[in-house]
Amino acid sequence: GENVEQHPSTLSVQEGDSAVIKCTYSDSASNYFPWYKQELGKGPQLIIDIRSNVGEKKDQRIAVTLNKTAKHFSLHITETQPEDSAVYFCAASKGGAQKLVFGQGTRLTINP
Amino acid sequence: NAGVTQTPKFQVLKTGQSMTLQCAQDMNHNSMYWYRQDPGMGLRLIYYSASEGTTDKGEVPNGYNVSRLNKREFSLRLESAAPSQTSVYFCASSERGTPGTGELFFGEGSRLTVL
Repeated sequence: GENVEQHPSTLSVQEGDSAVIKCTYSDSASNYFPWYKQELGKGPQLIIDIRSNVGEKKDQRIAVTLNKTAKHFSLHITETQPEDSAVYFCAASKGGAQKLVFGQGTRLTINP
Repeated sequence: NAGVTQTPKFQVLKTGQSMTLQCAQDMNHNSMYWYRQDPGMGLRLIYYSASEGTTDKGEVPNGYNVSRLNKREFSLRLESAAPSQTSVYFCASSERGTPGTGELFFGEGSRLTVL
């Protein structure tokens, strides 16, 4: 089955700097890659997703890149702000009847 | 709209006790899911219901049962709780039939401790 590895497990950056979280997946048939943000005491919330027919997608300060050949995808957050502090999860899926498989999570801390 | 509502938010059980986690969504979604979240292991799917009347096992179904009571409600039951079931449980819903084909909307979680 699919296996998703996420790095780093913790990340601390200065406010205003950029943060990058990376994920690798094992199943070359996976074609849907969402990112979820989980704030303290809350459930995860989708922040951006990408499908395999696209190499990059941006939404204001966040972007996701996908390299299907290398089977990895990354979340980029620019101009980080204190409210970006949270746990971020990547995931991968083949879609259809297959299940979404999550990475282990990255705890991002933005230092003022 | 409340979105996805889970009850209870916290529960402490003794080994061998049973309990049911309740979940309800008001977004008229067809599909509902139960995940567990453990440190360093991300979110793992326990069971899901692609539509009213159907349920399927996920990655870690052992020790759990589910009931899709109607389109709004999806419950998770632990028949004989074990310490390994200490976790935070999340219910989620989506418009589409199976995970991986659309956005998941999560509840706020239920923290369960089994002593």
